[in-house]
Amino acid sequence: DIVMTQSPDSLAVSLGERATINCKSSQSLLYSSNNKNYLTWYQQKPGQPPKLLIYWASTRDFGVPDRFSASGSGTDFTLTISSLQAEDVAVYYCQQHYSIPPTFGGGTKVEI
Amino acid sequence: QVQLVQSGAEVKKPGASVKVSCKASGYTFTDYYLHWVRQAPGQGLEWMGWLNPNSGATNLAQSFRGRVTLTRDTSITTAYMELSGLTSDDTALYFCARDTSGYEYYFRNWGQGTLVTVSS
Repeated sequence: DIVMTQSPDSLAVSLGERATINCKSSQSLLYSSNNKNYLTWYQQKPGQPPKLLIYWASTRDFGVPDRFSASGSGTDFTLTISSLQAEDVAVYYCQQHYSIPPTFGGGTKVEI
Repeated sequence: QVQLVQSGAEVKKPGASVKVSCKASGYTFTDYYLHWVRQAPGQGLEWMGWLNPNSGATNLAQSFRGRVTLTRDTSITTAYMELSGLTSDDTALYFCARDTSGYEYYFRNWGQGTLVTVSS
């Protein structure tokens, strides 16, 4: 199974400041035939299911604010919240779907 | 709009089985795989397996084979996850999630979750 490692486990960011979350996979998530990275980011708030934020490593899902951006390729990926808002307090997970079983990172808790 | 509505919380004794339902609406039920993901209290997300609602075929994560059964009733657009041989380690929130595009294995639509508590 592909192991997904997120860092840090938690971070505290002031309102309006930048938050950066890292995700590393144990093998490349780049599929050469279509040049896509099979990496997804989710946001989960307490008592709620995960919400899809980013797919194909850098494509924001419908309605996701543009303060959320993501980048990376191969084995190293980053999610950035450019200007943290109160409603962004949550746990963020990366997930690979390059191979079965799909696996998730351990999560990064973002606090103010 | 796509909706996945799961059955309510369950409390079970060790060794028992639990069956969680996931009622789908707002799309053609047989067009998208349905996955099950669980989350132990305060922990991360663990993929359990998928169900092809069209054929009834399933694929389970290795750690759940022999204990999990995924089924569906297409007449009522509902999928089921049955977990047997419950232990305290199975205490978790169980989610169904619709595949985003057929069988891409990432998930835009999720059920609200069903809490299963295993306690003697």
